[in-house]
Amino acid sequence: EIVMTQSPATLSVSPGERATLSCRASQSVSSNLAWYQHKPGQAPRLLIYGASTRATGIPARFSGSGSGAEFTLTISSLQSEDFAVYYCQQYNNWPPFTFGQGTKLEIK
Amino acid sequence: EVQLVESGGGLVKPGGSLRLSCAASGFTFSSYNLNWVRQAPGKGLEWVSFISYNGNYISYADSVKGRFTISRDNAKNSLYLQMNSLRAEDTAVYYCARERDTGLFDPWGQGTLVTVSS
Repeated sequence: EIVMTQSPATLSVSPGERATLSCRASQSVSSNLAWYQHKPGQAPRLLIYGASTRATGIPARFSGSGSGAEFTLTISSLQSEDFAVYYCQQYNNWPPFTFGQGTKLEIK
Repeated sequence: EVQLVESGGGLVKPGGSLRLSCAASGFTFSSYNLNWVRQAPGKGLEWVSFISYNGNYISYADSVKGRFTISRDNAKNSLYLQMNSLRAEDTAVYYCARERDTGLFDPWGQGTLVTVSS
C-alpha cells in the first residue's frame, strides 16, 4: 500500500497571500496524483488531477506540480472560500486508493 | 446536473448491520465506476470500496473486507453498501463518489453518517 504524507497538518495564511501545501508518496506514483478540497458539511471536490491539471470550473489560482513522489498544491492570493481541508490522493497503484491525512488551511 | 444522494445511515450497535444507498441522477449511471469513501470523526478520507460500471469487478479496503458488500442496480441508478459485523471504528460519514476516470472521484455525494455505538 502506498502511504501519502501531507505537510503541514495545519497552515495559517492571511487572505490575499499564497499557500503552499506538500504531499509525499512512499513510492513513485508517477503523475497519478489528485488534490481535493473539503469543507465541513460539504462533499469533497476534485481540484487537480494528473498532478497539475485543474478540474472543470476550478479557478486558475489553484495550481499543482510535481511527479514521482513529491507534489505541491499552490493557492495564490487566498480567497475566503479557500479555507478548507485539502487532501492529496494517489491512483497509480490500487487497490487501495490512498489519501494523505489532510492539510487544514486556516485564516491567520 | 450530476447528483449523488446517500441515505441509510444511522445509529447501530456493535455487531449490527446497516445498508447504505446512493441514488444517482444527471448522468448515464451504467457507464461509470463507483466508490464508497468514508471519513471518521476528526480523521481524513479513507477509501472503502470500488465497483466497476457493470458490477464485474469489485474491490475492498482490508479494513472492511469480509464484512462489507458493495453492489449496484443499474436499472435503478443506485449504489449500495451492505455493512455487517459493524465495529466502533466503522463510525464515519460515508460518501459515494463517481469515478470520472480511474481513481478520480468526481463528484461526491454529501455523505451519510453511520454511528456504531452501544
